[in-house]
Amino acid sequence: DAGVTQSPTHLIKTRGQQVTLRCSPKSGHDTVSWYQQALGQGPQFIFQYYEEEERQRGNFPDRFSGHQFPNYSSELNVNALLLGDSALYLCASSFHLGYTFGSGTRLTVV
Amino acid sequence: GQQVMQIPQYQHVQEGEDFTTYCNSSTTLSNIQWYKQRPGGHPVFLIQLVKSGEVKKQKRLTFQFGEAKKNSSLHITATQTTDVGTYFCAAPPNDYKLSFGAGTTVTVRA
Repeated sequence: DAGVTQSPTHLIKTRGQQVTLRCSPKSGHDTVSWYQQALGQGPQFIFQYYEEEERQRGNFPDRFSGHQFPNYSSELNVNALLLGDSALYLCASSFHLGYTFGSGTRLTVV
Repeated sequence: GQQVMQIPQYQHVQEGEDFTTYCNSSTTLSNIQWYKQRPGGHPVFLIQLVKSGEVKKQKRLTFQFGEAKKNSSLHITATQTTDVGTYFCAAPPNDYKLSFGAGTTVTVRA
């Protein structure tokens, strides 16, 4: 039973560029949440997707957008990258109890 | 919005000793979850507490939810090098997101 899969694992982008991160949830999970984790901090909620709709959004600008597909997989898009967007981006899927996190995508903006 | 505060931020423990990390909220929590993140890894779900005064054990780890459901603690006995990592508490302000504390980073002296 596969856990949460994220791709790519690492990414380096230049300021102003756009990036797309991908997530496949754990089998049987229909809800996908995205979190941003800066170094030395706890994960910060970006948004959650359920039934292909954004159900809840955290305090992130509109440059952060997402999508969920019929197979429950999800994408996180970030436009006009800033240096401050450098972080570990975590995808978490859930069904009932607790969240299962993927290994994350380490994004570095230079 | 709801926030959970964790103390201490860092915990340096001699192997074999016990320690406790605390999680506090100014508001009543519906439940609280604990996660462990190993260095370079991703958060892994440990446990969820729901009931007032609830105590749950996982081997050397004891989790407690306060009577007022505003605080929680994690106590680890006979610390081992495998306990190294950052322990996060997380609480849901609503059904769709988790708010994470800043974490307690544990290092172990052999």
